[in-house]
Amino acid sequence: AQSVAQPEDQVNVAEGNPLTVKCTYSVSGNPYLFWYVQYPNRGLQFLLKYITGDNLVKGSYGFEAEFNKSQTSFHLKKPSALVSDSALYFCAVRGDTGGFKTIFGAGTRLFVKA
Amino acid sequence: NAGVMQNPRHLVRRRGQEARLRCSPMKGHSHVYWYRQLPEEGLKFMVYLQKENIIDESGMPKERFSAEFPKEGPSILRIQQVVRGDSAAYFCASSPPARSYTGELFFGEGSRLTVL
Repeated sequence: AQSVAQPEDQVNVAEGNPLTVKCTYSVSGNPYLFWYVQYPNRGLQFLLKYITGDNLVKGSYGFEAEFNKSQTSFHLKKPSALVSDSALYFCAVRGDTGGFKTIFGAGTRLFVKA
Repeated sequence: NAGVMQNPRHLVRRRGQEARLRCSPMKGHSHVYWYRQLPEEGLKFMVYLQKENIIDESGMPKERFSAEFPKEGPSILRIQQVVRGDSAAYFCASSPPARSYTGELFFGEGSRLTVL
């Protein structure tokens, strides 16, 4: 069965500092991994994805994520946080065997303080 | 190019009434997914459909909930005899017509159901 764990309910960081939002996953077969962001009372917006190839993927708004197969992790990172990055972040996974549904983590709320 | 359209954005129902939530996928997309987001919780998968076919409904509650995606018209998530615990945001997402699609989902703005 597929699952995604986001171990931190909340991450606090000062503006200008680097940020990391953690994600680990479990899936049958090869993983397709995604990060989405949700602003209040809005739908989810796609940030970036890992399908195959380079383990470091770059996405929207300066975000990047590193796929680590041995640790089954896909942590989201940004070198310098902005106050406007404050939002709810979801990690998601879909496997290439069995069903093709996408499973989401519980979400991590990011607070960036000026 | 319109995105995923959900309506109504907000819906208020009394206990025991029915709620119908509609989702029109992006142009060219024929696969639809429904997710439920309870307050302070993540997104829970409910059902995955393509036109006239339910692919995976493993996340749907066994009773009162049903979903369809007819050949013509939007996908509909139907909740019968609503209870207060059904109060949540219901999100629809769509993807291009391939079960082996590896890309991202495209989300609507959600329908927020409040049960009084």
